Amino acid sequence: DAGVTQSPTHLIKTRGQQVTLRCSPISGHKSVSWYQQVLGQGPQFIFQYYEKEERGRGNFPDRFSARQFPNYSSELNVNALLLGDSALYLCASSPGRDTQYFGPGTRLTVL
Amino acid sequence: ELKVEQNPLFLSMQEGKNYTIYCNYSTTSDRLYWYRQDPGKSLESLFVLLSNGAVKQEGRLMASLDTKARLSTLHITAAVHDLSATYFCAVDNWINQFYFGTGTSLTVIP
Repeated sequence: DAGVTQSPTHLIKTRGQQVTLRCSPISGHKSVSWYQQVLGQGPQFIFQYYEKEERGRGNFPDRFSARQFPNYSSELNVNALLLGDSALYLCASSPGRDTQYFGPGTRLTVL
Repeated sequence: ELKVEQNPLFLSMQEGKNYTIYCNYSTTSDRLYWYRQDPGKSLESLFVLLSNGAVKQEGRLMASLDTKARLSTLHITAAVHDLSATYFCAVDNWINQFYFGTGTSLTVIP
């Protein structure tokens, strides 16, 4: 079975721009979570969606938003990019309250 | 907010030696996960610990959980070079939102 997929793999943006990251969960998984991993740190929880509803939000500004589609894929949007938004963005899926399986990530660089 | 701390942050150990990584967390939880991350790669699930006293073993790695002490350990036995990676513990806040530790960067040297 295919694992979690994310696109794009790498992205370079300039300050003030907007970015959309995409994630497709493992087939049958209804929960998708997004994490931000800054170099040298552990992943930080951004959002969780389950059955297309937001179930949780981490300590991130309103510039960050997300949604989940009927096929359980998800998008993470970040507006008004700052240099500090440069990070590896990880998507994880799970069938419910269970182990989360992580995708390869999207590396975002903000110049 | 749930806080998760790991120590040590960096660990350099010789092949064949044993060592333990510690993971402490600030509020009660019944689930703890260990992940491995190789440089430039994503996270690979190693263990899920679901109850107090749980112990899981896979090869040279053994993980345990003490929910009363809010402590998990990852024990490495007879380290080999292939175990070089960064190891993270993650605590579930009861609703499947994971809070990760700072990570332990392990280097096994010949």
